[in-house]
Amino acid sequence: GAGVSQSPSNKVTEKGKDVELRCDPISGHTALYWYRQSLGQGLEFLIYFQGNSAPDKSGLPSDRFSAERTGGSVSTLTIQRTQQEDSAVYLCASSKAGGTGTHNEQFFGPGTRLTVL
Amino acid sequence: LAKTTQPISMDSYEGQEVNITCSHNNIATNDYITWYQQFPSQGPRFIIQGYKTKVTNEVASLFIPADRKSSTLSLPRVSLSDTAVYYCLVGAVGNDYKLSFGAGTTVTVRA
Repeated sequence: GAGVSQSPSNKVTEKGKDVELRCDPISGHTALYWYRQSLGQGLEFLIYFQGNSAPDKSGLPSDRFSAERTGGSVSTLTIQRTQQEDSAVYLCASSKAGGTGTHNEQFFGPGTRLTVL
Repeated sequence: LAKTTQPISMDSYEGQEVNITCSHNNIATNDYITWYQQFPSQGPRFIIQGYKTKVTNEVASLFIPADRKSSTLSLPRVSLSDTAVYYCLVGAVGNDYKLSFGAGTTVTVRA
């Protein structure tokens, strides 16, 4: 079946502009996650959705960052007034909800490479 | 989340076995050990997971000693396509949504 998809694959914007990044999770996956990866670095957790609610927004670096998820499916990460330090690859992942006994494997999309000039 | 420590990089040659050891001294009773693989310009991909002793699948083996304070990912007979970053993660069942990826281990396989 289809995996996690993200759009756009690349986004170049000017400092101060707003950007929207989209994530389409695997059908039936109720959990959705956003991460950020700067060049040569590990992944930085941003936010976690369970259905449409976001029980953990602790990773959002500033109030310029927000995310929403509608219909328990597609999610949008919005960055307002972008800064050069926002340049990174933004990765989305989804997983099945709940369950016990084993880690809920996260399936990652290809990411959106954001460049802020 | 338990902190993990793994080597920054490892070099190998085609056909050799690669072993990456991850330290997690503060692992909790409910924590599982999971490894992800990331190729350039792609998102990470789940490789293997274990709780104790040994786990093997078609891609790798995971060795976990009795004290669980470390684990070793073993990649048998690597090929050039195994060149990637490998991440060791430790997290509790039911509370592992916030995956903590460090810098990982960059494995470079040469011909």
